[in-house]
This record gives sequence, structure tokens and C-alpha cells, in this order.
Amino acid sequence: QKEVEQNSGPLSVPEGAIASLNCTYSDRVSQSFFWYRQYSGKSPELIMSIYSNGDKEDGRFTAQLNKASQYVSLLIRDSQPSDSATYLCAKRAGNNRKLIWGLGTSLAVNP
Amino acid sequence: GAGVSQSPSNKVTEKGKDVELRCDPISGHTALYWYRQSLGQGLEFLIYFQGNSAPDKSGLPSDRFSAERTGGSVSTLTIQRTQQEDSAVYLCASSLVLGGRRVGETQYFGPGTRLLVL
Repeated sequence: QKEVEQNSGPLSVPEGAIASLNCTYSDRVSQSFFWYRQYSGKSPELIMSIYSNGDKEDGRFTAQLNKASQYVSLLIRDSQPSDSATYLCAKRAGNNRKLIWGLGTSLAVNP
Repeated sequence: GAGVSQSPSNKVTEKGKDVELRCDPISGHTALYWYRQSLGQGLEFLIYFQGNSAPDKSGLPSDRFSAERTGGSVSTLTIQRTQQEDSAVYLCASSLVLGGRRVGETQYFGPGTRLLVL
């Protein structure tokens, strides 16, 4: 089992809908989780970080963390075509600051 | 500079040649990371530098790969005797890192170097 798993997609949603992206991880020790967005041909950029169980909201984005179930999700409300990108989930590898990455979920928001 | 810079942006080389990739992190950032991303693949960790500590080299795929960070700032990733499977985008990131806490964890990425080995 990969340390961080994501559905590769593509996930296709209509403009204005809620996009739901999920990520599962394989240990109960990880404490820090991150969602990055990567446009085609560009570098990843941070959307959200989350450390505690529950929801964390930032504008149209909400990250949800459930450590008991070992999953973290990202909801994008009122999806826009500009949200079309690959969304990468990552977790911090214990005390080491390197991140372990999922392979990403491709999201397409259709006008 | 305002962000992480990398050079060259593109590099085409012949199999067997050595290449050097450069990363200039955000000023003041103590942590520097190198990743590799092959077409359609996720990010593969290569090496991590933190201040004056010994680097974490656990992700380097072979002894043809090496990296150094001079003066706690600029880093160079060297690939010797390049192979076609080395073709990928090489990404550098830096983070601030304050103490041992979460503050400063965010990694900021450079634009990458696209390496093509013919």
C-alpha cells in the first residue's frame, strides 16, 4: 500500500458544483497534511495545510481531516474552470520535514 | 528574489553526459528540497537540506546523483553519466522552518528544470 493514495481521476464536475477530492494515508503517526494544486506544466502551489481533526475553511476551499480513519479531503465549492488542475495530497514524514506525496487527482471543471 | 529560482529552465543532453541543475531558494529559508517528477507521475523526493545538518539523501535513486548546498543557500543537483530514464522535471522547493514546530512548513516550489536525455 502506498503511503499516500489518491484517485487519479479525472474528476469532472460542472461549473458551480462542489468538487470533492479524497486522500488516504497508511499510518496513524502523521500529523501534518497538505493540499497542493498543480496546473499543467507548472509547479505545485499550496492551497491548504491541516493538522487537527475536523474542517478547515479558506474561501471556497475546505480541508477535512479524520485521523482515526486516516483520510484527508478537499472540497471546492462553486467550482470554476480555473480550478481545473491536478490536486496533490501530501503528508509530513514524521519528524523529518520531507513530504510524502500522492500521485494527484486530475480535476476538470466544465463551463 | 521573490521566489525560488531554478536554472536552466530546460536542458537537453546526450546519454552519458553530466548535468548540473541549480536552485536558488527564497532568502532566509533554511530548508531546501529536491524532487523529481516524471510525465504524469507524482513527486519523487530526492534530497533534503536543513541548515547545517547532514542532508537526507534517502531519495537519491543511484550514486550517479549528488547534491550540495553551499553557504546554506544555493544548491546544485548533479547527475553524472545521464541515462534516458533520468528525463523528468526536477523541482526545487524551500521552506522557512522555525524551531521544530509547524510554522514555516510550507514548501514553495521553483519553476523546475525540464531535463531531456537523448
